[in-house]
Amino acid sequence: KQEVTQIPAALSVPEGENLVLNCSFTDSAIYNLQWFRQDPGKGLTSLLLIQSSQREQTSGRLNASLDKSSGRSTLYIAASQPGDSATYLCAVRHSGSSNTGKLIFGQGTTLQVKP
Amino acid sequence: KAGVTQTPRYLIKTRGQQVTLSCSPISGHRSVSWYQQTPGQGLQFLFEYFSETQRNKGNFPGRFSGRQFSNSRSEMNVSTLELGDSALYLCASSPGTSGADTQYFGPGTRLTVL
Repeated sequence: KQEVTQIPAALSVPEGENLVLNCSFTDSAIYNLQWFRQDPGKGLTSLLLIQSSQREQTSGRLNASLDKSSGRSTLYIAASQPGDSATYLCAVRHSGSSNTGKLIFGQGTTLQVKP
Repeated sequence: KAGVTQTPRYLIKTRGQQVTLSCSPISGHRSVSWYQQTPGQGLQFLFEYFSETQRNKGNFPGRFSGRQFSNSRSEMNVSTLELGDSALYLCASSPGTSGADTQYFGPGTRLTVL
């Protein structure tokens, strides 16, 4: 059974700092991994999607890496801003056509960036 | 393109009642997935519909059901509500033809069961 873990559960940093969020998964038979952002009481916004054959993806100040063999992904946020404060979730999609719509989520990391 | 929409945004029900939630996917998307989010269990997959057929199902009791219409809009129904069903219910849409697709989430329906 696939389990996804995110460490730390919460993180508080001063504005301008670079930071890394961690995600680990127990079964390496994944199709891809997706990072999301969730603001309080709101839905999820997709940040980055990494296919199992890729090592990393970049979007602006965000960089996500994937090491499938070790079951790990990291989300790197450069020059953090107060507007980055949110909960960040990683989710994996299993290999196999029957699982195309099913994501397994970690519990999330709640980030606070202080001005 | 308009994003994923969910109605209603907020619902208050009492134990034993039933409830129906609606999700309209992004135009052209044929897959709709439903998730339940609670503080204790986090985000859990309920089921996925593709072209009006349930394609995948999570580990929830039979009180949770869903359907999809020919225009890809989807509804989920929860019967005999329990206090533990209080949660944020999120739906996500994608084209559904490839596991490489990004899933796009709606704003959610906040259900409170009293």
